[in-house]
Amino acid sequence: NAGVMQNPRHLVRRRGQEARLRCSPVKGHSHVYWYRQLPEEGLKFMVYLQKENIIDESGMPKERFSAEFPKEGPSILRIQQVVRGDSAAYFCASSLGQGNNQPQHFGDGTRLSIL
Amino acid sequence: DAKTTQPNSMESNEEEPVHLPCNHSTISGTDYIHWYRQLPSQGPEYVIHGLTSNVNNRMASLAIAEDRKSSTLILHRATLRDAAVYYCIPRQTGGTSYGKLTFGQGTILTVHP
Repeated sequence: NAGVMQNPRHLVRRRGQEARLRCSPVKGHSHVYWYRQLPEEGLKFMVYLQKENIIDESGMPKERFSAEFPKEGPSILRIQQVVRGDSAAYFCASSLGQGNNQPQHFGDGTRLSIL
Repeated sequence: DAKTTQPNSMESNEEEPVHLPCNHSTISGTDYIHWYRQLPSQGPEYVIHGLTSNVNNRMASLAIAEDRKSSTLILHRATLRDAAVYYCIPRQTGGTSYGKLTFGQGTILTVHP
């Protein structure tokens, strides 16, 4: 069984460019979550999506960041006009259901570096 | 979200049991207690969760206090691969933020050969 797949594993962008991070959830999982881990900081929730719907985006920066989880294909976290402060590890997780007893399964992350 | 308190760090020797404590005194009655761990350079990994009763799986055991204000993750025989940061996370039900995991600082577990 394939787990959560994230790509690319490493992404380098120059300031002002766009970054697209992809996440394929565990097969059969329709709930996807994105988290960010800044250098020397803890993991912070960004957004929770359930097939084509954003359920909770309370952790998303108000500008430049967007996320989608289309009916077909992977979930995408998009960062426009990247800045140095966006350098971080971005982790995606998925779950089978939405209850608070549902484990989340994580990918190994995308390490974004901004030059 | 219920607040949690965990030791900053703990140490163990290989093959010995490890008891990782967590205080969550503000937990509500329907919050599940989840444990995750993060190995170096990897994503978090689900370990175990429970509500009221003690729970066992192939990775660990979870002992939950009768008043639910604390819990202990038990690794029965630590291996070098268990060296990681361990997070205790109460998860609420309902509301608008039931989906997210709120990670605290966790406990850094060092395992000595």
